[in-house]
Amino acid sequence: QQQVRQSPQSLTVWEGETAILNCSYENSAFDYFPWYQQFPGEGPALLIAIRSVSDKKEDGRFTIFFNKREKKLSLHITDSQPGDSATYFCAASAAGNYKYVFGAGTRLKVIA
Amino acid sequence: GALVYQYPRRTICKSGTSMRMECQAVGFQATSVAWYRQSPQKTFELIALSTVNSAIKYEQNFTQEKFPISHPNLSFSSMTVLNAYLEDRGLYLCGARLGGYEQYFGPGTRLTVL
Repeated sequence: QQQVRQSPQSLTVWEGETAILNCSYENSAFDYFPWYQQFPGEGPALLIAIRSVSDKKEDGRFTIFFNKREKKLSLHITDSQPGDSATYFCAASAAGNYKYVFGAGTRLKVIA
Repeated sequence: GALVYQYPRRTICKSGTSMRMECQAVGFQATSVAWYRQSPQKTFELIALSTVNSAIKYEQNFTQEKFPISHPNLSFSSMTVLNAYLEDRGLYLCGARLGGYEQYFGPGTRLTVL
């Protein structure tokens, strides 16, 4: 059972465009949703995260939009740069539960 | 800032042999430490989790007999892959959790089995 789903599997955008990465989940108990950025050969780096009490979280060019009712969230990367080319993972955890559930990732390629 | 170190970064071992990897959280007091394996298909598998209030708990399909873990405290953890075979290949990640939610990963130890 895949509790966290990501789409698309891969995404290519031009430099300067907005990349939109989607994530959905099944467990209503999930209340914390981090996004990780991973470059080849490296470990995943915490990029931005949101809690279910919020519907939006912004950090520079990265914004999470969260829809609790539909159990969906999305990561928007505005003014995409070639250096943003990486795999992005959506994860989820529930209050009081130390486990994270990860999606399968979206591979983003930004073309100059 | 919060940093998680892992050693070695990559290792190659012969089929049937064992290797040990280490993880250290620097700059913060971890409240939990988790070991994951990331497969070539990039999926994350949770191997085991240790928290401030509990002993090491292994996930289904992973056992202490195969992946023994030791840590004097949550800032330092080591895991051994015993009798490694091809299916054990992957990137082994250590994630240390700060406070209630944020989890930071190390760069991983990439295991290649010949």
